[in-house]
Amino acid sequence: EPEVTQTPSHQVTQMGQEVILRCVPISNHLYFYWYRQILGQKVEFLVSFYNNEISEKSEIFDDQFSVERPDGSNFTLKIRSTKLEDSAMYFCASSDSRGALDTQYFGPGTRLTVL
Amino acid sequence: AQSVTQLDSQVPVFEEAPVELRCNYSSSVSVYLFWYVQYPNQGLQLLLKYLSGSTLVKGINGFEAEFNKSQTSFHLRKPSVHISDTAEYFCAVSHLDSNYQLIWGAGTKLIIKP
Repeated sequence: EPEVTQTPSHQVTQMGQEVILRCVPISNHLYFYWYRQILGQKVEFLVSFYNNEISEKSEIFDDQFSVERPDGSNFTLKIRSTKLEDSAMYFCASSDSRGALDTQYFGPGTRLTVL
Repeated sequence: AQSVTQLDSQVPVFEEAPVELRCNYSSSVSVYLFWYVQYPNQGLQLLLKYLSGSTLVKGINGFEAEFNKSQTSFHLRKPSVHISDTAEYFCAVSHLDSNYQLIWGAGTKLIIKP
């Protein structure tokens, strides 16, 4: 069964450094998403991406964040100048359509620890 | 703002006992409701979803949920749990006004006691 994959599973970085979290969505999916979950808190939507551009983003997704689909398979989240409060589990998801009928398939997550 | 409330952060139950995980949402518009499960060290997996039609929805692993519009609830149930059901369960809502972004509850850890 196709699945979303994410690398690395755990990333440790120093405050102020840049990190890139990588995702490989399911191959025929067109919509891509990033969510994050700070330890002990709710899962929060960050951004959705379609047709090589951002379609929606939350207030959390400020200039520190960017997303890219550099090739036909990868979908990346870049966090510039990481802060302590960026420590969280980051989930990538993909779906083949948009709207209520779509099912978002999630990857296993990348745990980001900012020291 | 729309919100999802999962009233219990943890629910301990004995193996083979029934379980209900509660989920309430706040919304004045038509919503679509989801339950996701996160097994230890794994990603989020869709358990079941309600889009329209029958208010009783059956999902994977013997789980079901009932949409109750008057009580704005979507509680998850299983008649007999197994040790392998140990996981965290998340309720989520989406609707047209939120551009179908998933709005999540805080999660409920289901702890199965032998």
